[in-house]
Amino acid sequence: GQNIDQPTEMTATEGAIVQINCTYQTSGFNGLFWYQQHAGEAPTFLSYNVLDGLEEKGRFSSFLSRSKGYSYLLLKELQMKDSASYLCAVTDSNYQLIWGAGTKLIIKP
Amino acid sequence: DAMVIQNPRYQVTQFGKPVTLSCSQTLNHNVMYWYQQKSSQAPKLLFHYYDKDFNNEADTPDNFQSRRPNTSFCFLDIRSPGLGDAAMYLCATSRDRGTGASEQYFGPGTRLTVT
Repeated sequence: GQNIDQPTEMTATEGAIVQINCTYQTSGFNGLFWYQQHAGEAPTFLSYNVLDGLEEKGRFSSFLSRSKGYSYLLLKELQMKDSASYLCAVTDSNYQLIWGAGTKLIIKP
Repeated sequence: DAMVIQNPRYQVTQFGKPVTLSCSQTLNHNVMYWYQQKSSQAPKLLFHYYDKDFNNEADTPDNFQSRRPNTSFCFLDIRSPGLGDAAMYLCATSRDRGTGASEQYFGPGTRLTVT
């Protein structure tokens, strides 16, 4: 079967750095997305990786290793508004998007 | 601004009473998706349209139907809602399908309560 694993919940301090990991086992791979979802709201796109390496976008960076089936989302200079769930999603060989259950990130002052 | 709009944001219906949720988009995207999301769970794809071509997920109950009368609008019909259908329903669009970089744009969602 197809599976995406993320930690259920993480806690970090305002101003600090946090890394959210995602591992996947899918039938084929055509890219990996990270989405942010605030409570009661719709997911919003953060990043897309299809090649190995690090993609940086402001305070957020996303890393991919296809050989390890692994990605992480790195958030720097954490702000209270970063409290949200972060969902990892992988496009498989049929271009179907397989979603993880998300990691709830709690930011403390 | 181009966007995905869902109405209503909150819907309360009675057990067994049909309900329709609507989605519209101004992005002129070819693909529209309906997801069901329950608390702390991944979004579950119910079906999607590629233009007028309807694609049903194998495990989507028959109780759920969809219509796409034109590019801009898509509807989710729940024929006989059960208590287990209470969830957030998300509409999303993407420019294309079959490319890994087809980012999905989500509407704000409709939270359905079944009493």
